[in-house]
Amino acid sequence: AQSVTQLGSHVSVSEGALVLLRCNYSSSVPPYLFWYVQYPNQGLQLLLKYTSAATLVKGINGFEAEFKKSETSFHLTKPSAHMSDAAEYFCALSLFGNEKLTFGTGTRLTIIP
Amino acid sequence: GAVVSQHPSWVICKSGTSVKIECRSLDFQATTMFWYRQFPKQSLMLMATSNEGSKATYEQGVEKDKFLINHASLTLSTLTVTSAHPEDSSFYICSARSPGLLGAQHFGDGTRLSIL
Repeated sequence: AQSVTQLGSHVSVSEGALVLLRCNYSSSVPPYLFWYVQYPNQGLQLLLKYTSAATLVKGINGFEAEFKKSETSFHLTKPSAHMSDAAEYFCALSLFGNEKLTFGTGTRLTIIP
Repeated sequence: GAVVSQHPSWVICKSGTSVKIECRSLDFQATTMFWYRQFPKQSLMLMATSNEGSKATYEQGVEKDKFLINHASLTLSTLTVTSAHPEDSSFYICSARSPGLLGAQHFGDGTRLSIL
C-alpha cells in the first residue's frame, strides 16, 4: 500500500527566509504527487502537482517542488517566506488508474515577523 | 477555473436531526467527487467516493446509513448526515476531480458541522 510521510508537524521560518517542507512517499508504482495548502476553516487549495513530466514542478504563490525518485521525496520549497504563507500544508499521492488521494499528516507553517 | 462550491459553510443543529451538505463543481463536470472528514489539527480522512449515476463507494468503517451520498448530476453531490449526534461534529470537505487523465482534485471550502 502507498503512504505519505511529512517530516515535521510544525515548521517556523522568519519572513524572507527559505521555506522547506518535507514529504517522502512510498509506492510500488510511479505515483502522482500533490501539494495542497489549507487556511483556517477553509478547504484545500492545490499548490502544484507532479504527473511524471518535469521533475521540478512550479506552482502558485512562488512555491516549487522537486520529485526525486532515488530519495522517494517531493519536498516543497519557496525562496522567501511571506506572512501570507502561514497555513497548513498537505502532501498527497495518487496512483494511475486510482483517483483516491493518500494524504500526509500535514505541516503547519508559521512565519515569524 | 476548477471551482468547487460547498454549502453550507457552517451549520449548528440539535441532536437527532439530519443535515444535508451540497458540493457543486461550478465550471467543470465531475463524474467523481469525494467526501472527507477532518478532525481538529489532523489530516483528511476519505469517507466515500461519489460516482455520478451510481452508488457511492464507502471507505472501511464509514456507516453507509449514517452518511448518505447522492450524486445525481455531473455537477452536484450531496452528503446527508442522518440522525446526527455530537460525535458527528466535524469539518466535512468535498472535492471534485477535474476531467482528463491527469485531473487533480479540487476542494470545496468545507462545512463545519456542530451537533448540540
